[in-house]
Amino acid sequence: QVQLVQSGAEVKKPGASVKVSCKASGYTFTSYYMHWVRQAPGQGLEWMGIINPRGGSTSYAQKFQGRVTMTRDTSTSTVYMELSSLRSEDTAVYYCARGGLRFLDCWFDPWGQGTLVTVSS
Amino acid sequence: QSALTQPASVSGSPGQSITISCTGTSSDVGAYNYVSWYQQHPGKAPKLMIYDVRNRPSGVSNRFSGSKSGNTASLTISGLQAEDEADYYCSSYTSSSTWVFGGGTKLTVL
Repeated sequence: QVQLVQSGAEVKKPGASVKVSCKASGYTFTSYYMHWVRQAPGQGLEWMGIINPRGGSTSYAQKFQGRVTMTRDTSTSTVYMELSSLRSEDTAVYYCARGGLRFLDCWFDPWGQGTLVTVSS
Repeated sequence: QSALTQPASVSGSPGQSITISCTGTSSDVGAYNYVSWYQQHPGKAPKLMIYDVRNRPSGVSNRFSGSKSGNTASLTISGLQAEDEADYYCSSYTSSSTWVFGGGTKLTVL
């Protein structure tokens, strides 16, 4: 079955960077787009960006441009999301979520279990 | 890109039907048939319930249905059950080639 398994919780100081991983299994990794979505405590979902695992091309939400980098490792079927210059407002659960075969397959299914990133001095 | 607008909360009794609205603009909901809906139970990851406005993934109950009119999409849940109590989020593709979510709606089954 399709499964996305994310790395464990992180605690970071303001100004630091965090890198979250998402290991995919149960399907052809390079065939499906992958999104990253975050959710601050008690808040709604926020789309961060998308990566095409086949060629590595990315597109980011304007809010995160310059601070976020999404990469992939096809040898391990893993995508990564790195967020830099962390501030307290970045405290959130970060999810990877699989997109479709095409860029305009506009759904997120399934989702990883989430990774809590806490930014605190 | 502003979040799509959803009611903060809705409620209904078991067996009843409820509808959750999701209002966007002519640059997102109104421009494409790329609206999806997600159910999220506390402490859990979201689950896809509806995609492309009205399509249900396999395994999702046919009590869940979606529709759209102009800049507003809707999720209807019929025959409410206790297990439907959760947060629900809509999402849409946008003309900026990005995605946007609604603020979320808390469904309470009375």
